[in-house]
Amino acid sequence: DIQMTQSPSSLSASVGDRVSITCRASQSINTNLNWYQHRPGKAPKLLLYAASTLQSGVPSRFSGSGSGTEFTLTISSLQPEDFATYYCQQCYTDPPWTFGPGTKVEIK
Amino acid sequence: QVQLQESGPGLVKPSETLSLTCTVSGASISSFYWSWIRQSPGKGLEWIGFFYHSGGINYSPSLEGRLTISVDTSKKQLYLKLRSVTAADTAVYFCARGLGSGTYYRGTFDYWGLGTQVTVSS
Repeated sequence: DIQMTQSPSSLSASVGDRVSITCRASQSINTNLNWYQHRPGKAPKLLLYAASTLQSGVPSRFSGSGSGTEFTLTISSLQPEDFATYYCQQCYTDPPWTFGPGTKVEIK
Repeated sequence: QVQLQESGPGLVKPSETLSLTCTVSGASISSFYWSWIRQSPGKGLEWIGFFYHSGGINYSPSLEGRLTISVDTSKKQLYLKLRSVTAADTAVYFCARGLGSGTYYRGTFDYWGLGTQVTVSS
């Protein structure tokens, strides 16, 4: 299986800050990488797919980049509703598809 | 709008069978890939398997042999049955829809349910 790692595992930031999260795959996955946001008590939400394509309805302050084995999720100006846990997930070729361990974004 | 709702017993005894239902509204269950995903403290998010009505079932190798996923299109429901459960199967179980109606984005999940907690304990 393809292993996914994320860094940092958690971070503290203030409203208005620029935040970046890194995701790495154990082998090249081209751009077959998705990002999700999960807030407590809510359904996980797809933010970006194919590494950099913004899902419909997701604010443009979210962006993604990368290919191969290294990817980045950036939030340009953190908003109160963005405090959550973020997961990357690879969907390269056939399953099993695997997720990163998550990055928890907390209020400073 | 598309909504998914998982349901099932919150507590299952070791060695028994876990049965969960996902009820879909706002989308055709025949036109998309539908996956089960679970989240446990020890293993994080884990994709379990998918069902595609037009032909296609795929299970995670780690669960194959214990797992059955099926669909009732008339009821718009997706089912999961996991046999011979152990404490390692304790998790929140989610159902999720694959993005679009084709194969390419079947592993990208655009709608999820809230999840249902399952605890395996005697």
